[in-house]
Amino acid sequence: SQQGEEDPQALSIQEGENATMNCSYKTSINNLQWYRQNSGRGLVHLILIRSNEREKHSGRLRVTLDTSKKSSSLLITASRAADTASYFCATDSGNNRKLIWGLGTSLAVNP
Amino acid sequence: ETGVTQSPTHLIKTRGQQVTLRCSSQSGHNTVSWYQQALGQGPQFIFQYYREEENGRGNFPPRFSGLQFPNYSSELNVNALELDDSALYLCASSLPRGLAAAEQYFGPGTRLTVT
Repeated sequence: SQQGEEDPQALSIQEGENATMNCSYKTSINNLQWYRQNSGRGLVHLILIRSNEREKHSGRLRVTLDTSKKSSSLLITASRAADTASYFCATDSGNNRKLIWGLGTSLAVNP
Repeated sequence: ETGVTQSPTHLIKTRGQQVTLRCSSQSGHNTVSWYQQALGQGPQFIFQYYREEENGRGNFPPRFSGLQFPNYSSELNVNALELDDSALYLCASSLPRGLAAAEQYFGPGTRLTVT
């Protein structure tokens, strides 16, 4: 079963624009992680945010977490064609170290 | 690129057969997780191995089994293959983060097709 739900399902933007994708989940979490998947580099970890953190940055990535709304957002600034990929959120709840994944947002960055 | 490798890259099997997929974890990582990813879906957690013992399992039937070896490499075995088992199988290695899931380092996957 999927815990996370990414929104939108698909997003198409021009190079240089910002891209925002959202993730909602159902149960309380220990942490939330974002991953990127493309055909060239497989599934790659982007950022982990703990349940007691509200915002985290990594390069052009900014992640926010609102545990009261059970939601997170991933912002990619100044997008590049190489950012074209599917983006997944994955949540960890309980104490079994199991990650539950959403269906992903497909991002297309047009040159 | 991560240091996680998987073999084989692609595999075609017939319904009812058995398959073994292999994974070598990134150096120093003692935890391996296996995921099934159907086309257009997110990965689904199958199980995790930590220090050679199963340490958590998803909603998969017992015909999905695994092993972890002393060098932390791992195998995923699937018996009595069904058509719905056709998917990309991903292996990920990690270091324990207490009771919480850690950052996963994924291999390139094995594409299994069951006919």
